[in-house]
Parts: sequence; structure tokens; C-alpha cells
Amino acid sequence: DQQVKQNSPSLSVQEGRISILNCDYTNSMFDYFLWYKKYPAEGPTFLISISSIKDKNEDGRFTVFLNKSAKHLSLHIVPSQPGDSAVYFCAGMDSNYQLIWGAGTKLIIKP
Amino acid sequence: KAGVTQTPRYLIKTRGQQVTLSCSPISGHRSVSWYQQTPGQGLQFLFEYFSETQRNKGNFPGRFSGRQFSNSRSEMNVSTLELGDSALYLCASSLRQQGPYNEQFFGPGTRLTVL
Repeated sequence: DQQVKQNSPSLSVQEGRISILNCDYTNSMFDYFLWYKKYPAEGPTFLISISSIKDKNEDGRFTVFLNKSAKHLSLHIVPSQPGDSAVYFCAGMDSNYQLIWGAGTKLIIKP
Repeated sequence: KAGVTQTPRYLIKTRGQQVTLSCSPISGHRSVSWYQQTPGQGLQFLFEYFSETQRNKGNFPGRFSGRQFSNSRSEMNVSTLELGDSALYLCASSLRQQGPYNEQFFGPGTRLTVL
């Protein structure tokens, strides 16, 4: 069963606009959520995280929102830049400190 | 500080063969995790090693095994390769002790193709 789901395989956004990437989860015991970004031929790199006791975390152009009642989190990128084009993975951390990953969303920023 | 390195970067094998992949973590990192990435499946956790001991294991068959050496370098072995084993294998290192999350740093991966 997929505990973390990213239902949009890809997303295309105009440069300068807001990019919103969504992630749903089923395990209510996740303590932590993370977003990683992956460029082709490179390993994923950490982007931003949020603790389950918070509903928002902001870091520059990146903001992650957590809605625990809906078991939903989203990553907002404002404004979107060409260098943001990448695959974005969300992951939940379970009680064993193991990361459970979504399938990823490919973000394409159009000039 | 050097990042996580993985060797080889690309590998082509045939069904039934076995393969060994290598990962050198960031200096000072004692935790090494292995993941399998296939299109549409995200990263599937294989196992994690900490101080030469397997601490966590994902839902993969026994054909997948690993080990960690005293210098924290880790190897992953897949025996009796199947076509479905074709994937990108990623290694990640962290400082992680049991406790709050420590960021994982990923290597570039080994692309395994099974013919």
C-alpha cells in the first residue's frame, strides 16, 4: 500500500508564477515530512521539512503547508524560476525514523 | 567536504547474474541507507546500516543484501538478477542516531540495467 501519494506525475508552471505541489498520506503516525528535489543524473537533495506539530514552514521562496486533518501537505514555490525545474519528492518519517517516499512530481517551469 | 560517492555509475548485467554496488558516505556519517528508484514508484527503501549493523529493512526479497564496513562504506548485493531489478539505486548517508530526523545526503546513484 502506498502510504505517501503524489498524484500529479508532472506539473507545468509559467516562470514567475506560483508552483503548488501536493502530497497525500495515509499514516497518521508520521512525525515529520520532508521535500526533496532531484535533478537528472543527480541524487535527491533536501529542500524543506515540517514537523507534524506545525502547519507551516517557510524558507525563502519555499513554503510547506501541513493539513493533518486532511492528511495533506503541499509545497509552494513563489516565484517559480527555471532552476526549479526538477522532480520533487515528498516523504514522511515513521516511528522507526524511516522515510516513506512518494512517487515524485516533475515540475517544469516555462520561460 | 566530499559528498556521497557511488560506484559504478552505470552497470549492465544479464538475468541470473549477481551484482555488487558500492557507496562511500560523507566523512563522519555512520548511517547509510539504500533505495531503489523506478519510474512511477518513487524511492523504495531497501535497508539502512548504522555502525556495521542493519538497523532497518524494507520489503525486498532476500536476493537483496547489504553490509557496512568499519569505515562506514557500504555495499549492496543483488543475486540472481531479474529484469525487474533494472532501476536507479541510490545511497544516502546521514549522522542519524535514533532520534529526531537528520538530513539524508544522497549520492548520484548507480543505474543498473538487466538484460
